[in-house]
Amino acid sequence: AQSVAQPEDQVNVAEGNPLTVKCTYSVSGNPYLFWYVQYPNRGLQFLLKYITGDNLVKGSYGFEAEFNKSQTSFHLKKPSALVSDSALYFCAVRDIGSGYSTLTFGKGTMLLVSP
Amino acid sequence: SAVISQKPSRDICQRGTSLTIQCQVDSQVTMMFWYRQQPGQSLTLIATANQGSEATYESGFVIDKFPISRPNLTFSTLTVSNMSPEDSSIYLCSVGGNERETQYFGPGTRLLVL
Repeated sequence: AQSVAQPEDQVNVAEGNPLTVKCTYSVSGNPYLFWYVQYPNRGLQFLLKYITGDNLVKGSYGFEAEFNKSQTSFHLKKPSALVSDSALYFCAVRDIGSGYSTLTFGKGTMLLVSP
Repeated sequence: SAVISQKPSRDICQRGTSLTIQCQVDSQVTMMFWYRQQPGQSLTLIATANQGSEATYESGFVIDKFPISRPNLTFSTLTVSNMSPEDSSIYLCSVGGNERETQYFGPGTRLLVL
């Protein structure tokens, strides 16, 4: 079975400071990992994904994420937060080779960026 | 990336009634998914809908409650039947099920059942 943990319900950061939103995963095989963002009254928007290759993945809006196999983590990062980054962030995993192609989502982390 | 639209965007319904949600994709796709996001919760997969076959439902979801149609490669509907206040959620349509594919989501349908 595949699972995702987002240990923080909420992350608070001041504008201009770096931000990190944590994600750890559990799969039986190799993982494909994704980050999505949900703005108020909007659907999910894709930010970035890790399939293979470089452990540091760059995505939309200046976000990046680092895949760490030994720690089974895929934390989302941004060097300088903007107030407009305030939203709900979801980490998701797909287990490669499991024959099951659907995503499993974490419970989400609310990011609040203060001016 | 696929462009996905959903109708209606939101609705307020009375208990005991049914609502059909439409999902339209701008390109042909093999797999379509329906998710539910209850208030303050994460996304839960309801079912996978492949064109030409019966939908596959996840544990806890049944066809009588959530019938799904998939008449062609660009369209699907989800019906929420005999609604109760517990069905108040955001329902999202999604496409992109191959392992390496990014899964894209529609804007969601916000349902409130009174």
